[in-house]
Amino acid sequence: GAVVSQHPSRVICKSGTSVKIECRSLDFQATTMFWYRQFPKQSLMLMATSNEGSKATYEQGVEKDKFLINHASLTLSTLTVTSAHPEDSSFYICSAIIGRGKNEQYFGPGTRLTVT
Amino acid sequence: EDKVVQSPLSLVVHEGDTVTLNCSYEVTNFRSLLWYKQEKKAPTFLFMLTSSGIEKKSGRLSSILDKKELFSILNITATQTGDSAVYLCAAATQGGSEKLVFGKGTKLTVNP
Repeated sequence: GAVVSQHPSRVICKSGTSVKIECRSLDFQATTMFWYRQFPKQSLMLMATSNEGSKATYEQGVEKDKFLINHASLTLSTLTVTSAHPEDSSFYICSAIIGRGKNEQYFGPGTRLTVT
Repeated sequence: EDKVVQSPLSLVVHEGDTVTLNCSYEVTNFRSLLWYKQEKKAPTFLFMLTSSGIEKKSGRLSSILDKKELFSILNITATQTGDSAVYLCAAATQGGSEKLVFGKGTKLTVNP
């Protein structure tokens, strides 16, 4: 089956610093990757859709200058949380789909970000 | 606004019981309905349903979609403690964005 990895799995950073999270599709090429955020006891909230070689499409209310997404290749997308604040602490999950027109998303294991 | 509603929000049963989880949706440009199981980390895929009335089965789990009434159910028979998890339902849209709209999930606890 399709495997998606995320790195790091857990990160603690200080307020004001930036953190980069990587999402890789290990055994397939992902034309589209998605970034989600999940708060405790709540569902996944889509932050942005990332297509290889083009700018990410952000959901309403998500600051594009704060959450920088780069989908540089068909196997790698990165999410950089810039000037992190404690309220950015959350569980960030990426997912990928194989090819366009497909809805079956394969999720990464997630990254727990804690901003102190 | 697209929305997916799951019920119940939480459920506690004993091993061997059968459970039914519900998911209703209101989504523009609906394409398919997906079920995921989420334990401690990210969701793992269970089913994708595109057509009404066709039951999908995988072991003790089964699911069906009703596109007229806009809902889906996930059944788990002979539950085991390993079935304890949050079960997420998501509606997929068709068109360029291919987005998933998630429900809040049903937290299932299976006690021995």
